[in-house]
Amino acid sequence: AQKVTQAQTEISVVEKEDVTLDCVYETRDTTYYLFWYKQPPSGELVFLIRRNSFDEQNEISGRYSWNFQKSTSSFNFTITASQVVDSAVYFCALSEASSGYALNFGKGTSLLVTP
Amino acid sequence: KAGVTQTPRYLIKTRGQQVTLSCSPISGHRSVSWYQQTPGQGLQFLFEYFSETQRNKGNFPGRFSGRQFSNSRSEMNVSTLELGDSALYLCASSLAGGFDEQYFGPGTRLTVT
Repeated sequence: AQKVTQAQTEISVVEKEDVTLDCVYETRDTTYYLFWYKQPPSGELVFLIRRNSFDEQNEISGRYSWNFQKSTSSFNFTITASQVVDSAVYFCALSEASSGYALNFGKGTSLLVTP
Repeated sequence: KAGVTQTPRYLIKTRGQQVTLSCSPISGHRSVSWYQQTPGQGLQFLFEYFSETQRNKGNFPGRFSGRQFSNSRSEMNVSTLELGDSALYLCASSLAGGFDEQYFGPGTRLTVT
């Protein structure tokens, strides 16, 4: 069963629009970590954020922000004022002790930002 | 600090052959994990090595194997290649594994014909 669901396969926005990428996860562990990675066309996965299950505070880093809600098992990612350079595939991932800490990735959301 | 490096970047092999991919982690990182990325299955965990020992293994057949050297460099080997093994193979390193942040290399694009 898919443990991390990214329901949006592709999103297309015009530059300067805000966009939110959804991530829903499933776990029985009480301690777990959630991650977001960016994969530009070059192929290399770029680490964006790591959040543990005990820290539900939202986080902001420049134009990026993350909203973690345990009640809905969601860890959504918002890009404010999107730019063409944000075009990439974004992956949400779950790490659990019960799975040996391996990253369990969602299928990814392909974001296209057009001028 | 140099990032994770993987060699070669591209490979073309014939069905039935075997292949060895190499990964050099970030200096000081002792954990190396391997992932396979395909359009159909997405990103899937292969295995993790720490201090030359395989610590975790994903759900892949025994044709997929790996090892880690004393300098933390890692290799993965795929024997008796099948067409379905065509994929991007990504290596990730972290300080000690566990919940540590994993940093990925550029990947090796393997094409099996």
